[in-house]
Amino acid sequence: NAGVTQTPKFQVLKTGQSMTLQCAQDMNHEYMSWYRQDPGMGLRLIHYSVGAGITDQGEVPNGYNVSRSTTEDFPLRLLSAAPSQTSVYFCASRVSQGSTDTQYFGPGTRLTVL
Amino acid sequence: AQTVTQSQPEMSVQEAETVTLSCTYDTSESNYYLFWYKQPPSRQMILVIRQEAYKQQNATENRFSVNFQKAAKSFSLKISDSQLGDTAMYFCAFYSGNTGKLIFGQGTTLQVKP
Repeated sequence: NAGVTQTPKFQVLKTGQSMTLQCAQDMNHEYMSWYRQDPGMGLRLIHYSVGAGITDQGEVPNGYNVSRSTTEDFPLRLLSAAPSQTSVYFCASRVSQGSTDTQYFGPGTRLTVL
Repeated sequence: AQTVTQSQPEMSVQEAETVTLSCTYDTSESNYYLFWYKQPPSRQMILVIRQEAYKQQNATENRFSVNFQKAAKSFSLKISDSQLGDTAMYFCAFYSGNTGKLIFGQGTTLQVKP
């Protein structure tokens, strides 16, 4: 298994540009989520999905869109990038089996908005 | 809404000694999990230890153990026999079994000194 993969690893955008951060997992996990990590603020939940076709907002959803057309993929779209969206973005998937509940994180994408 | 608080932004410990990282949380839910994640400079999020709220026994994973005080809503991580490879940022996280949200604390940077 490749686990959770994210592309790209680094990205620089100009204010107002749009882009999509890709996330994929090959573990057949139903639950996937996106976080952003900023210094001194830990990780904050942007959007999450409990299965294909179902998405919901997290703590900081403004400026971001998501979709979940397949179990494997959960892309995050920035509609009009702003400097405040400069951050490191993590995608994660979750498995829950009996008493086991574990989140698997991707390697992260460092985004800079100029 | 759930909150997770880590009141120690930075800590240091001598190699082979024991260190305890603090975490408190606030929730009105009864169905939840608590996690400690380690994030080394590579930025990858690594699960250290997990605690189910319904279990009274404190979780243990090799040199890592927790002190789970449910009534006080406290969840501290003890690292015994600290090793240089333990140097990283550590995040406490609360997972809601009802909503599926994973909420992180601000993180504690731990440095193990030789």
